Amino acid sequence: IAGITQAPTSQILAAGRRMTLRCTQDMRHNAMYWYRQDLGLGLRLIHYSNTAGTTGKGEVPDGYSVSRANTDDFPLTLASAVPSQTSVYFCASSTLGGSGNEQFFGPGTRLTVL
Amino acid sequence: GQNIDQPTEMTATEGAIVQINCTYQTSGFNGLFWYQQHAGEAPTFLSYNVLDGLEEKGRFSSFLSRSKGYSYLLLKELQMKDSASYLCADLDSNYQLIWGAGTKLIIKP
Repeated sequence: IAGITQAPTSQILAAGRRMTLRCTQDMRHNAMYWYRQDLGLGLRLIHYSNTAGTTGKGEVPDGYSVSRANTDDFPLTLASAVPSQTSVYFCASSTLGGSGNEQFFGPGTRLTVL
Repeated sequence: GQNIDQPTEMTATEGAIVQINCTYQTSGFNGLFWYQQHAGEAPTFLSYNVLDGLEEKGRFSSFLSRSKGYSYLLLKELQMKDSASYLCADLDSNYQLIWGAGTKLIIKP
């Protein structure tokens, strides 16, 4: 792989189910991010990680959790999905958190919660 | 508070020039980004301004005025492939990106 990948590409999920969105990068970037993008709104940060072993909350963290066990992977988990979590989810990475470095985005996961 | 404003949609003609404006009001400022996003795809980086002035990069240029909380993206010699959304994002005092809702640019032949 080259760059940043996400899985699945799309998913339809029943409300109340648990779901993990996967994100992997091979650029050895220290910082990784999860955003959601909804029509008419800007990208909103859910959680971030400036380095392996650390995570932080973004603007809209409720209902989501993340882990950063290693440099490459940054999974996002919805413990009990609700319809308001229907969105397009983008994972991104940058060389260094807390800086003006460019963020590279994965292709996105389109999630529908019914 | 934090607020990023940009027009929702703009239309321009192939071969022409278009300027997309962005105003920001954030609790801190560490730079202003512009990204391009084609429909159904991920955003891709266009420019980053942290100092006042104009930065030119081929057909695209980006301008920043920190005192006015204002930036614009200038696209010259428009091509049909430039039809996309253009996202303005401010790097705030916590070094997190605050994103505008994006400007959908429609290019007509």
